[in-house]
Amino acid sequence: KAGVTQTPRYLIKTRGQQVTLSCSPISGHRSVSWYQQTPGQGLQFLFEYFSETQRNKGNFPGRFSGRQFSNSRSEMNVSTLELGDSALYLCASSLAQGVRSPLHFGNGTRLTVT
Amino acid sequence: EDQVTQSPEALRLQEGESSSLNCSYTVSGLRGLFWYRQDPGKGPEFLFTLYSAGEEKEKERLKATLTKKESFLHITAPKPEDSATYLCAVQDGGGSEKLVFGKGTKLTVNP
Repeated sequence: KAGVTQTPRYLIKTRGQQVTLSCSPISGHRSVSWYQQTPGQGLQFLFEYFSETQRNKGNFPGRFSGRQFSNSRSEMNVSTLELGDSALYLCASSLAQGVRSPLHFGNGTRLTVT
Repeated sequence: EDQVTQSPEALRLQEGESSSLNCSYTVSGLRGLFWYRQDPGKGPEFLFTLYSAGEEKEKERLKATLTKKESFLHITAPKPEDSATYLCAVQDGGGSEKLVFGKGTKLTVNP
């Protein structure tokens, strides 16, 4: 069974630009979450989607947004990039909300903002 | 607010030298406590889920235990390939899939 797939693996952007990251969950998984990982803050929750609806959002500015499609694939967007947005962005999928199943992570997109 | 604290931040062991990693947590209604392993440049890899105090799970040289306030990841006779960062996370009973992570313990096992 294929794991969580994230594209692209690496991105270099300039301050002020915007970026879109993509995530394909494990087949059959309907819940998708996004996390930001930095050396100083560790893994921090961005948002969570189930059945194309955002179910929960972390404490990030409105420049961070996301969506989920009917096939459970998800995208996240960051507008007006800042230097501090440089991080590893991780997507995770799980079977469904309220079901006892762990989150499985992709290998992330490494975003560098210059 | 849910909180997770892991100790030590870094641990260096000789091959075969057993030890334990600690994860202390505060959470409103624990739904699950998760252990992940993360190798450099990769995403976290799922190891265990523990749901209630007293529960234990084992996988090869790893054994995870859970009390009402903390979890331990015991590593027995580690090998160099066990070198990684080990992450602990909690999920509360609010119905969300959200995980709150600790900062991790970086384990190095020398041959």
